[in-house]
Amino acid sequence: DGGITQSPKYLFRKEGQNVTLSCEQNLNHDAMYWYRQDPGQGLRLIYYSQIVNDFQKGDIAEGYSVSREKKESFPLTVTSAQKNPTAFYLCASSIGPSTNYGYTFGSGTRLTVV
Amino acid sequence: ELKVEQNPLFLSMQEGKNYTIYCNYSTTSDRLYWYRQDPGKSLESLFVLLSNGAVKQEGRLMASLDTKARLSTLHITAAVHDLSATYFCAGWSMEYGNKLVFGAGTILRVKS
Repeated sequence: DGGITQSPKYLFRKEGQNVTLSCEQNLNHDAMYWYRQDPGQGLRLIYYSQIVNDFQKGDIAEGYSVSREKKESFPLTVTSAQKNPTAFYLCASSIGPSTNYGYTFGSGTRLTVV
Repeated sequence: ELKVEQNPLFLSMQEGKNYTIYCNYSTTSDRLYWYRQDPGKSLESLFVLLSNGAVKQEGRLMASLDTKARLSTLHITAAVHDLSATYFCAGWSMEYGNKLVFGAGTILRVKS
């Protein structure tokens, strides 16, 4: 079955540590996105990539980094520069930036600072 | 810049009642999407509205789009407890970088 897989489901980060969230899709989608969701809040765009080897900053990119070396994969690194990283992180993909079908979302990673 | 506003942000309703969630957007939005999110879960696509006057229905939910008024509505008919979730609308505009812009979400609680 095609879909998006995010791992891990839960992640704990110590102060000053970098952590990487995985996002893999087998839908053959060109575009991929990372969102952050805080409790009771909407979705805020961190980074997005509309084609391999290219990505753009979203609305809250500071303290995060991404890469898009393969079409299937769009990992997100939460760096120590991100002072308040505790949140629910959602990865999404779409056939292309101009989509009649919207986005397909992964199941999310819940990151907690300990 | 495309901005999307939903109201109400929180809705508590009795089973069997009808209600409407409103989604206003600030500039031209070529398409409008509705998603559902259960607590602690991911987002599930409900409806995609591609043109003015579009209406989609699934069970007790019906979504419509009025591009002239820059308004989409999600109407709930005879609510049941299973509809309790958070509902997001999202607009898409080629002018805004070819990506979805989400509203803040409406938390719906249906009481027995």
